[in-house]
Amino acid sequence: GAVVSQHPSRVICKSGTSVKIECRSLDFQATTMFWYRQFPKQSLMLMATSNEGSKATYEQGVEKDKFLINHASLTLSTLTVTSAHPEDSSFYICSAGGLSGNTIYFGEGSWLTVV
Amino acid sequence: GNSVTQMEGPVTLSEEAFLTINCTYTATGYPSLFWYVQYPGEGLQLLLKATKADDKGSNKGFEATYRKETTSFHLEKGSVQVSDSAVYFCALSAFSNDYKLSFGAGTTVTVRA
Repeated sequence: GAVVSQHPSRVICKSGTSVKIECRSLDFQATTMFWYRQFPKQSLMLMATSNEGSKATYEQGVEKDKFLINHASLTLSTLTVTSAHPEDSSFYICSAGGLSGNTIYFGEGSWLTVV
Repeated sequence: GNSVTQMEGPVTLSEEAFLTINCTYTATGYPSLFWYVQYPGEGLQLLLKATKADDKGSNKGFEATYRKETTSFHLEKGSVQVSDSAVYFCALSAFSNDYKLSFGAGTTVTVRA
């Protein structure tokens, strides 16, 4: 069964609104979570790395004020897309790693459409 | 920086056919290489990996060999099944594990009975 769950799987929002995507580790403590984004026919791109209890580290070119990442507990990280625009429409996917080290588990991904 | 170029899809083939998905990479140093698979409605799952040159990763009948001389990590399976229908992603990491991955665009494979 799934060890990392993302919610919602699909969301449509209006331009200018904010939308939150959750990433939960179901049966392990995720010290590190990663957020990726994929535009159509392009690669999955790492957006940011979040460690529980500390600020996320964003990749170059990713606006930290627009894509707010919170990793307040060892089982939950959230990505909030603020003031969404149609160009933010994309596939967002998270992955999580636990205390034991190397194994990374991915969520199912979330399709965001901004209209 | 690091990047992965993956064969474009979609790929459609018949059961028991041979599957190859090409993957080449650009990286500094000695990256680790991965193939992930995403079945419909599920998250990405690690299919196989190789952490150094000439290593061969294998799982579920799939194989890929880390070729430093050609900077490639092509995925192969000798006889595909309908259940292999999925999206396949090639990826690399500058780390020895799968933290902070750089992915290819993904290749959709459909196997018909």
